[in-house]
Amino acid sequence: KQEVTQIPAALSVPEGENLVLNCSFTDSAIYNLQWFRQDPGKGLTSLLLIQSSQREQTSGRLNASLDKSSGRSTLYIAASQPGDSATYLCAVSSGSARQLTFGSGTQLTVLP
Amino acid sequence: KAGVTQTPRYLIKTRGQQVTLSCSPISGHRSVSWYQQTPGQGLQFLFEYFSETQRNKGNFPGRFSGRQFSNSRSEMNVSTLELGDSALYLCASSLGQDYGELFFGEGSRLTVL
Repeated sequence: KQEVTQIPAALSVPEGENLVLNCSFTDSAIYNLQWFRQDPGKGLTSLLLIQSSQREQTSGRLNASLDKSSGRSTLYIAASQPGDSATYLCAVSSGSARQLTFGSGTQLTVLP
Repeated sequence: KAGVTQTPRYLIKTRGQQVTLSCSPISGHRSVSWYQQTPGQGLQFLFEYFSETQRNKGNFPGRFSGRQFSNSRSEMNVSTLELGDSALYLCASSLGQDYGELFFGEGSRLTVL
């Protein structure tokens, strides 16, 4: 059974700092990994999708990497802003089921 | 291009009642998935539909059911509501190819009293 872990559970940083969020998964036989952002009381916003054959994806200030062999992904946020404050979730597709297995998220607070 | 639309956004029910939630996917998307989000269990997969067929189902009791219509819109139903069914129910759509990118709606927040 696939399990996804995100560390740390919460993170507080001053504005302008570069930061890294971590995601690990137990079964390396994944099809893809997706990073999402969730604001309080809202739905999930897709940030980046990395297919299993890819090593990284970039979108603006965000860069996500994937190391299948070690079962890890990182989300790098450059020059953080207060508007980046949210919960960040990673999710993987694996096995025969067309479903995502989610981590419990990292709650990020960027202080002005 | 409109995103995934879920209705209603908020609803309050009492134990024993039933509820129906609706999801309209992004235009052109043929796959709709449903997830339940609670503080204790996080995000858990309910089921996924493609072309009106349920392709996969999560580990939830039979009280949870769903369907998809020919226009790809989907509904999920929960019968005989329990207090533990209080949650944010999220719908996601994708083009339908295996393991493609999922796009989520704002969710329907259900409170069971």
